[in-house]
Amino acid sequence: AQSVTQPDIHITVSEGASLELRCNYSYGATPYLFWYVQSPGQGLQLLLKYFSGDTLVQGIKGFEAEFKRSQSSFNLRKPSVHWSDAAEYFCAVGGMEYGNKLVFGAGTILRVKS
Amino acid sequence: DAGVIQSPRHEVTEMGQEVTLRCKPISGHNSLFWYRQTMMRGLELLIYFNNNVPIDDSGMPEDRFSAKMPNASFSTLKIQPSEPRDSAVYFCASSSRDRASYEQYFGPGTRLTVT
Repeated sequence: AQSVTQPDIHITVSEGASLELRCNYSYGATPYLFWYVQSPGQGLQLLLKYFSGDTLVQGIKGFEAEFKRSQSSFNLRKPSVHWSDAAEYFCAVGGMEYGNKLVFGAGTILRVKS
Repeated sequence: DAGVIQSPRHEVTEMGQEVTLRCKPISGHNSLFWYRQTMMRGLELLIYFNNNVPIDDSGMPEDRFSAKMPNASFSTLKIQPSEPRDSAVYFCASSSRDRASYEQYFGPGTRLTVT
């Protein structure tokens, strides 16, 4: 069965600093991978997705993620964090063998200090 | 595109009452998902439908929970009777299975408080 691990529950970065949020997945075949962001009191918004092709994917709000099959990872990055990026970030994995069901990680809460 | 629409946005009810949450998926999407989010358990998939048919309801906590999708543009999640431990944010999401990439689009959620 597929699973997702986000090792960091909380991360704090300074505004303007770079960011990397970690995501490791377990899945036997070619995964579909997603990053979502949830601001307080809001629903989840899709940041970016990977399902084939270039392993470095660009998303909205200046985020990018890199799929590394050898490490079973799909880490999210941003070169310069803005205070408005403070939110909770969820990694998710899916695949054809499981229909269109996604499995979500536990989330990483990002705090941005000025 | 209006996105996924959920109603009500907030619901406060007393223990034992029936609660009905509503969802309108994105037009053209043929898969619909109900999730529950709590601090303790995170985001849990309760049930999902493909082409209005329930595919996997293994996440439904107990018989007090039921979900229906009478047509492609409407779904309900019902709790009867409600209990304080049902307090959570309930999200509906939809996706297009035909696109083979399966990203889900979430509604704003319904915050349920059972007193």
